[in-house]
Amino acid sequence: DGGITQSPKYLFRKEGQNVTLSCEQNLNHDAMYWYRQDPGQGLRLIYYSQIVNDFQKGDIAEGYSVSREKKESFPLTVTSAQKNPTAFYLCASSIRLALGEQFFGPGTRLTVL
Amino acid sequence: AQSVTQPDIHITVSEGASLELRCNYSYGATPYLFWYVQSPGQGLQLLLKYFSGDTLVQGIKGFEAEFKRSQSSFNLRKPSVHWSDAAEYFCAGLNTGTASKLTFGTGTRLQVTL
Repeated sequence: DGGITQSPKYLFRKEGQNVTLSCEQNLNHDAMYWYRQDPGQGLRLIYYSQIVNDFQKGDIAEGYSVSREKKESFPLTVTSAQKNPTAFYLCASSIRLALGEQFFGPGTRLTVL
Repeated sequence: AQSVTQPDIHITVSEGASLELRCNYSYGATPYLFWYVQSPGQGLQLLLKYFSGDTLVQGIKGFEAEFKRSQSSFNLRKPSVHWSDAAEYFCAGLNTGTASKLTFGTGTRLQVTL
């Protein structure tokens, strides 16, 4: 079955630590996205990538970093510079950037202790 | 600025009753429009999409949406709600013709009473 996987489902981090969230897709999509979801605020775009070795900042990129070394993988690192990292993180992909619908992974809930 | 507005934060309906969730958009040109559903702690699932053509769009799980250009709306409807429809629903818009981002509304949480 084609789809998007995110791991882990739950992640706990101490303040001051970096942590990396995994996102893998086998849909052969060029474009991938990371969103942050907080209660009552909908989804906000962190980073997106339209092709391998290319990525762009979204609306709330500060304190986050990404890489796109392979078409199927788009990991997100939440750095210690992110002031309020506790949130639900969603990864998505689409055939091309701004073309067609986005398909979403199951999400990772990050909690900073 | 491009925006998508869902005016209702929370809606409660009885099982078997009809449902309408509101969505308004503000774009320079007609955007692509989507409705997604999210169960607690899960990712988003696409219910339906509108790109062009017929303004009444059919989706999965018995949902439909109607695009109304004059009202800048894309409301989601279901004739008879089931208890399993309880979830959060997001409307989203994507500007056409440019490499732009998907803009989400803030969501409407649907509660279904038995």
